[in-house]
Amino acid sequence: DTEVTQTPKHLVMGMTNKKSLKCEQHMGHRAMYWYKQKAKKPPELMFVYSYEKLSINESVPSRFSPECPNSSLLNLHLHALQPEDSALYLCASSQDLAGNEQFFGPGTRLTVL
Amino acid sequence: SQQGEEDPQALSIQEGENATMNCSYKTSINNLQWYRQNSGRGLVHLILIRSNEREKHSGRLRVTLDTSKKSSSLLITASRAADTASYFCATDPLTPDGLTFGKGTHLIIQP
Repeated sequence: DTEVTQTPKHLVMGMTNKKSLKCEQHMGHRAMYWYKQKAKKPPELMFVYSYEKLSINESVPSRFSPECPNSSLLNLHLHALQPEDSALYLCASSQDLAGNEQFFGPGTRLTVL
Repeated sequence: SQQGEEDPQALSIQEGENATMNCSYKTSINNLQWYRQNSGRGLVHLILIRSNEREKHSGRLRVTLDTSKKSSSLLITASRAADTASYFCATDPLTPDGLTFGKGTHLIIQP
């Protein structure tokens, strides 16, 4: 299984809502990533988990809260988002942090009203 | 993190022609990777070239890397309509810090 799955595919939420994005992989990868991508822009790294521990936080606002419950799952909890947070959120995984290729999920298209 | 630059930003060619995209970056790297993205969906890994390699081939893809000029190129030969997508280079730095993506080239293959 060389697939990274993400749910939901689309999410519309108000600024006062709390929601979560989910990501799952069963490739035995020990590094997992969250990226944010605005339209016609490249992906921007948000968080990196290595062996279920937060390794990198690219100065992301606290309204985004990542969680890695186990080696196969990665969540992104959302609270009090702003309309400018509307974007495609991509999850990826790799064997580890030692410069390997990353496998991406299809993304969650988030719209904040 | 500093993004790389890719050129051209957009490229439109006829089916069967070759497409060349360039990428420049600013920091020392462990490796450089190329990804394809169709219509704002997930990215697909195409090829990885390590800092001690100069050229790599995979099917119709040819990648070069010049670390002295901090640049890379991706050549797609005998292009097909299905190659229409956005192509991104991504650099993996010497210290593990996640990938930094270039701005991307939007490639359109005209049938």
